[in-house]
Amino acid sequence: DAKTTQPPSMDCAERRAANLPCNHSTISGNEYVYWYRQIHSQGPQYIIHGLKNNETNEMASLIITEDRKSSTLILPHATLRDTAVYYCIVRLRYNNNDMRFGAGTRLTVKP
Amino acid sequence: GAVVSQHPSRVICKSGTSVKIECRSLDFQATTMFWYRQFPKQSLMLMATSNEGSKATYEQGVEKDKFLINHASLTLSTLTVTSAHPEDSSFYICSVSTGDYGYTFGSGTRLTVV
Repeated sequence: DAKTTQPPSMDCAERRAANLPCNHSTISGNEYVYWYRQIHSQGPQYIIHGLKNNETNEMASLIITEDRKSSTLILPHATLRDTAVYYCIVRLRYNNNDMRFGAGTRLTVKP
Repeated sequence: GAVVSQHPSRVICKSGTSVKIECRSLDFQATTMFWYRQFPKQSLMLMATSNEGSKATYEQGVEKDKFLINHASLTLSTLTVTSAHPEDSSFYICSVSTGDYGYTFGSGTRLTVV
C-alpha cells in the first residue's frame, strides 16, 4: 500500500468547515483512498473512500486531485464531537490484507 | 459494514496473570481478523493477523507465545495476553475486513496491568 503524509494537528472552529489534507504521491492506479477517524478511547470509524471522483456521504466529502497524488477530507460543519484523529489510508479495494495506520491528523474543533 | 463486538471494554489484572479479549463479528463471516495495539498518543500498531482455522501471523517483534490468538470460528477471534506485565498495558483493538468499506473495528479493550 502507498504511504500517506498528513499534518500532525489542526484546529477548526465549531460550525465551520474542516479541511484535512493528505498526500499520497506514490498511489497506484487501482488503489483507493480511505478515511477513518478515531475518537478518544474508541475503535476507528470508517468515514469515506474514493478512487478518483469526488465523493460525498452523510458524514463528509472527499476531494481527490486529478493526478490522485493528494486528497482532502471535508467536514462541512464541524461540531465538537468531530474532535478526533483522522487517518488517511491508501489501499486496494476489497483487499483482505492488513490495514496499517500512519500518525494521522489530530483535529480539534473549538467552540 | 459489519458489526464488530469486542469484550471486555476495560480490564484490570494483576501482573503475572492472563487476560482474554474477545472479538466477535456479529453479522459477517470473517475468515480474517486483525489485532492492533495502541499506546497513549500513538497510532494503531498491527500485532497479528488472525486466520480462521489456522495459525495467526504475527508482526515482527510481537511475541506469539505471549499474545495467543485463537480464531476457531468465522465469527470469533480471541487474544490472550499471557503472564501480563505493566508494559503490556495498552488499548487493544480488533478489526474485520468487510470489503467495500475497508475495515470495521471493535470498540477496543483498555488493559491495565497492576
